[in-house]
Parts: sequence; C-alpha cells; structure tokens
Amino acid sequence: DTAVSQTPKYLVTQMGNDKSIKCEQNLGHDTMYWYKQDSKKFLKIMFSYNNKELIINETVPNRFSPKSPDKAHLNLHINSLELGDSAVYFCASSFQGSSRTEAFFGQGTRLTVV
Amino acid sequence: QQQVKQSPQSLIVQKGGISIINCAYENTAFDYFPWYQQFPGKGPALLIAIRPDVSEKKEGRFTISFNKSAKQFSLHIMDSQPGDSATYFCAASRKAAGNKLTFGGGTRVLVKP
Repeated sequence: DTAVSQTPKYLVTQMGNDKSIKCEQNLGHDTMYWYKQDSKKFLKIMFSYNNKELIINETVPNRFSPKSPDKAHLNLHINSLELGDSAVYFCASSFQGSSRTEAFFGQGTRLTVV
Repeated sequence: QQQVKQSPQSLIVQKGGISIINCAYENTAFDYFPWYQQFPGKGPALLIAIRPDVSEKKEGRFTISFNKSAKQFSLHIMDSQPGDSATYFCAASRKAAGNKLTFGGGTRVLVKP
C-alpha cells in the first residue's frame, strides 16, 4: 500500500528524447509536488498542484511540463532531454489547507540522459 | 541565494553517541520546520517537525531545538544507532507559499558500531 508511488523508478534515455514520469498518491491529499535532487543531493521544488491547479512554478525550463488529471495524480513530461536533466525526481503530496502540512515523498525516479 | 543553510555536510559518530545537525534560515515568514531522513535509493521521509511557537520538540531519540531570534534550528539524535546512518535534510516552508519545502544541503551521518 504505497502512499506515493512513482513510475518508472529508473529511466535511461538519449539526449533529445521526450519522456514522462507518473505519480499517484492514495493519501487523499489535495496538493502534489515535483522536486529535483541533483548529483550533490540538493533538493529543489519544481512544481506544485493544488486540486489540479498549478500553484507553484519555479524557474524551470519550458521543456518540463507537469499535468494533473485529478488530485491523486501528477505527471511530469520532459521534452528534448539534455544531459543536465540527469537527476532524481521526487513526487510528493500533502494537505494544503490544514495544520498538518507534512509532505510524503515517493521513492524517486532516477533519470539518466546519455 | 540559499535560504536554508545546513551544517555539517557529513558527520561520523560512534554508536551510542549524539549526532547534532544545525540549520539556519533567512526568511522570517517560514512557519514550519521539518527534518527529513533519506536512505540511499529512497525518498525523503519525515522524521520530526516543529513550528516557530515552540522552542523544543522531542520524539523518541530525536529532538529539534528551535531558536527563533537567532533563526536557527537543530536536530539532535541521541543514542545514535547504525540504522540511523542516512542523509538528513532540514527544511522550511510557509503556508502562504503553498507549503513548498526549501531544503538545506543535507548532512550525511555515519554511525559506527
């Protein structure tokens, strides 16, 4: 019963390709996030959706496009992949409107661009 | 501009010892300060969290100390165990900014048996 699940766990692809990462949460949360962890382990927010509405869009190249079909799902599509996109991408979810703001993270998708 | 600074980058402690990790933040609007634990190949998992109206919070062997005036907070791991060997991240967020987490750079802790 994984709370936040991402697929795939590993993704190896060539430069210039387009790829997608999927995320699903079964916690009933109303907010979902994408975080990027670089090779130095630094974690940085990319996007956030609240009830399918984009609420956070950090300085991320336009090649990255999130999509939230419903509040339990948040996908990340990346066009024209570059070497620098290699990282671990984490999906997370939380409640936005309550005092319990703990974010739960998925296991991550390790993207390697060759 | 790094809004949350974490130190040290790495830490080696003997089994049974105390691990101490420090974080400093700049934005006084932050209203939630969690610590996450991450094992290799896994996602960060919430360990313990504190809000700025409290100066200390303890859960088992883990304690957060919070100094609002100094804009600093720290994690103490008492009686450190080999199973505590992981990377620890402090973070800060504010509700008005969508609760997005701003992370420190992480501390790799190794507990030697």
